[in-house]
Amino acid sequence: AQSVSQHNHHVILSEAASLELGCNYSYGGTVNLFWYVQYPGQHLQLLLKYFSGDPLVKGIKGFEAEFIKSKFSFNLRKPSVQWSDTAEYFCAVNDVGAGSYQLTFGKGTKLSVIP
Amino acid sequence: DAGVIQSPRHEVTEMGQEVTLRCKPISGHNSLFWYRQTMMRGLELLIYFNNNVPIDDSGMPEDRFSAKMPNASFSTLKIQPSEPRDSAVYFCASSPSAGYNEQFFGPGTRLTVL
Repeated sequence: AQSVSQHNHHVILSEAASLELGCNYSYGGTVNLFWYVQYPGQHLQLLLKYFSGDPLVKGIKGFEAEFIKSKFSFNLRKPSVQWSDTAEYFCAVNDVGAGSYQLTFGKGTKLSVIP
Repeated sequence: DAGVIQSPRHEVTEMGQEVTLRCKPISGHNSLFWYRQTMMRGLELLIYFNNNVPIDDSGMPEDRFSAKMPNASFSTLKIQPSEPRDSAVYFCASSPSAGYNEQFFGPGTRLTVL
């Protein structure tokens, strides 16, 4: 079955530290890739997305992600985190080749930023 | 735009009762999705509609769950009878068109079944 893996369940960082959250997917064909963020008690919001073109995607709030097709990865990065980045982050994949509108989500990574 | 609207935001009910969750997608969006989020299983797709037609309901846990979309601006997710293991946050999301895959999420309904 197609799946999305987020390797880190919980990441704890101090403010100003650099962040990288891993995401790997198992689809073999063309995919659309997303990172969503869920702040405590809130709904999911889109951070960034990749459909095609430049594999380095820049999103809101200083986040970026790099699509590496050969590694089936779409890791999320931020050079310097802030306390307000404390949230849960979800990677999601859409299998374009299947002609489906579904997004398959990873289990999420909780990020705690210590002031 | 008001975004995706869900009601109620919180629902507490007793086991065996019928629960109806409601969703109003963003105007003009053609696809609508229902998700369930739990600590154990994460975010799971239950069912999605395209142009008001259910496309894939393979994620619906069992016959106690049903979903309808009578028109382009309204959808319901019903659980009858409800059980404690149905306690979760239920999210509705909508997407602009069949070929556009960014989904916009509502605030969710936190359901507690006692």
